[in-house]
Amino acid sequence: EDQVTQSPEALRLQEGESSSLNCSYTVSGLRGLFWYRQDPGKGPEFLFTLYSAGEEKEKERLKATLTKKESFLHITAPKPEDSATYLCAGTFAGSYKLIFGSGTRLLVRP
Amino acid sequence: ETGVTQSPTHLIKTRGQQVTLRCSSQSGHNTVSWYQQALGQGPQFIFQYYREEENGRGNFPPRFSGLQFPNYSSELNVNALELDDSALYLCASSSGGADIQYFGAGTRLSVL
Repeated sequence: EDQVTQSPEALRLQEGESSSLNCSYTVSGLRGLFWYRQDPGKGPEFLFTLYSAGEEKEKERLKATLTKKESFLHITAPKPEDSATYLCAGTFAGSYKLIFGSGTRLLVRP
Repeated sequence: ETGVTQSPTHLIKTRGQQVTLRCSSQSGHNTVSWYQQALGQGPQFIFQYYREEENGRGNFPPRFSGLQFPNYSSELNVNALELDDSALYLCASSSGGADIQYFGAGTRLSVL
């Protein structure tokens, strides 16, 4: 069964303290790897999609990378407004449904 | 360009009742997917509709059903509500099944 696993479950950072979130997935049959941001009480907001190992995408303080078995979301010099839950999801061969991890809850303190 | 909109935002029902949730897809999108998100968990796929036909279903019982209309808006119906159905229900639209899915704000359903 296709799976997506995220770590850590929760992460507390000081403002300006860079870090990375991890997303590992079932290796065979990955179509695409997606990162979303979700604020409390709201729907997930699309951030990035990655399709090939070695691919990288950047947006402001965020950079997503993909290897053959995992993806990382790097956060450089985070600000309090980056506090949210970050969700990783994959689509796999034979289906277009998104399979989500449980998310990483990020708190950035001023 | 309008985004994905869902209604209502909140709903309270009692066990055994039926509920209908609604979703308007983003302009230009012909595919709608529904997800259930329990507190502290990632969203779980319920089903997807493409051009008014069901195009994949997750591990949800038949009392979860849906419709897609010619304007690509969609409904999620849940019969015989159970306490465990309490969750945030998310609708996502895309331009084709393989494209990026954009989510609405969700409907928070509480079953008492």
